[in-house]
Amino acid sequence: GIQVEQSPPDLILQEGANSTLRCNFSDSVNNLQWFHQNPWGQLINLFYIPSGTKQNGRLSATTVATERYSLLYISSSQTTDSGVYFCAADFNDYKLSFGAGTTVTVRA
Amino acid sequence: SAVISQKPSRDICQRGTSLTIQCQVDSQVTMMFWYRQQPGQSLTLIATANQGSEATYESGFVIDKFPISRPNLTFSTLTVSNMSPEDSSIYLCSVEGTGTNEQFFGPGTRLTVL
Repeated sequence: GIQVEQSPPDLILQEGANSTLRCNFSDSVNNLQWFHQNPWGQLINLFYIPSGTKQNGRLSATTVATERYSLLYISSSQTTDSGVYFCAADFNDYKLSFGAGTTVTVRA
Repeated sequence: SAVISQKPSRDICQRGTSLTIQCQVDSQVTMMFWYRQQPGQSLTLIATANQGSEATYESGFVIDKFPISRPNLTFSTLTVSNMSPEDSSIYLCSVEGTGTNEQFFGPGTRLTVL
């Protein structure tokens, strides 16, 4: 079936470190989004990136649609980057299917 | 992006009761969705709220348990009926942005059922 898989499930970083989160998806996508869920449960839009590369401050993302994966890069991590990062894909049916998430903990 | 609000932000309810969650958007949107996030889990789509017609439910979710209303293009409600502790979750509404299929989420309703 249609799947969105994220890795790693957990990531512990020292403040200032860089990291890469991966999202694999099982079929062609109409939409691919990355979200950050903060400790209060709020889901923050990071990137809308069905293909290509985008950057926003210390975060950047790349989606290679032909190879069915997306990467989220966090550079110079800060404690405020802690939380759960979700990848979600729309497989041409307007509905988002979410991955299981990557829990990031940034230690001071 | 649309500004989305939800009421209530959190609630603690007794087993067997029902709770209605409201989702308000500051602009007219075509596509509106309801998701559930169980503790420690990812988000799962409950249904698509259709304006002027019955909601479209995903596998595992039924109208009797999660009735949805969509009276206009800026507002929707989700009711969690005959609640049990297993219904304790965060419930989130989302909308598609204008001219894009990017989805934006409301702040969520954190429900605890005792």
